[in-house]
Amino acid sequence: AQKVTQAQTEISVVEKEDVTLDCVYETRDTTYYLFWYKQPPSGELVFLIRRNSFDEQNEISGRYSWNFQKSTSSFNFTITASQVVDSAVYFCALSEMGYGQNFVFGPGTRLSVLP
Amino acid sequence: DTAVSQTPKYLVTQMGNDKSIKCEQNLGHDTMYWYKQDSKKFLKIMFSYNNKELIINETVPNRFSPKSPDKAHLNLHINSLELGDSAVYFCASSRGLAGVNEQFFGPGTRLTVL
Repeated sequence: AQKVTQAQTEISVVEKEDVTLDCVYETRDTTYYLFWYKQPPSGELVFLIRRNSFDEQNEISGRYSWNFQKSTSSFNFTITASQVVDSAVYFCALSEMGYGQNFVFGPGTRLSVLP
Repeated sequence: DTAVSQTPKYLVTQMGNDKSIKCEQNLGHDTMYWYKQDSKKFLKIMFSYNNKELIINETVPNRFSPKSPDKAHLNLHINSLELGDSAVYFCASSRGLAGVNEQFFGPGTRLTVL
């Protein structure tokens, strides 16, 4: 079973729409970290956010916000008022710190923001 | 100043050859990583390494080996290249223990095996 599931393979929205990218993870560890990375068409990977398993506080950074819910093992990412420059592949990732340290990326969600 | 650099950016080679990809980070980070991204954009960690511990993804063939001459460098050697090795390889680095902090990625090396 996949440890990180991003059920939406591709999403298309029109500029200024809000969009939420889903991430569901699976772990038995009590200490773990969750990340989101962005990969624009140019190919580089850019870090967006990191959360540890003990901090369920949601976070907002400009037009970006993240909703971490341990009860549902989800770490969803919302872009408000999307822009064309948000077009990219977005990856959710899980790092487990227990025995057998493990780091895994989800399959990614390709977001296309149309003008 | 480039934080994480990789050379070469493109590598085209024949099956059976041996090749290396170099990675350097100037961030003073403790841990470095190698990832493989296939044509479907799946990113898979191959190795994580700091000066104390090498963690190998068990699915990585032993034709792949990381070599670290010092804390700022982690090179990737690939022996007997196969068609399925064609992919983009990313190097990354982070502070502290592997997996705890955000990773900074290099620009990637696109490897094509003919």
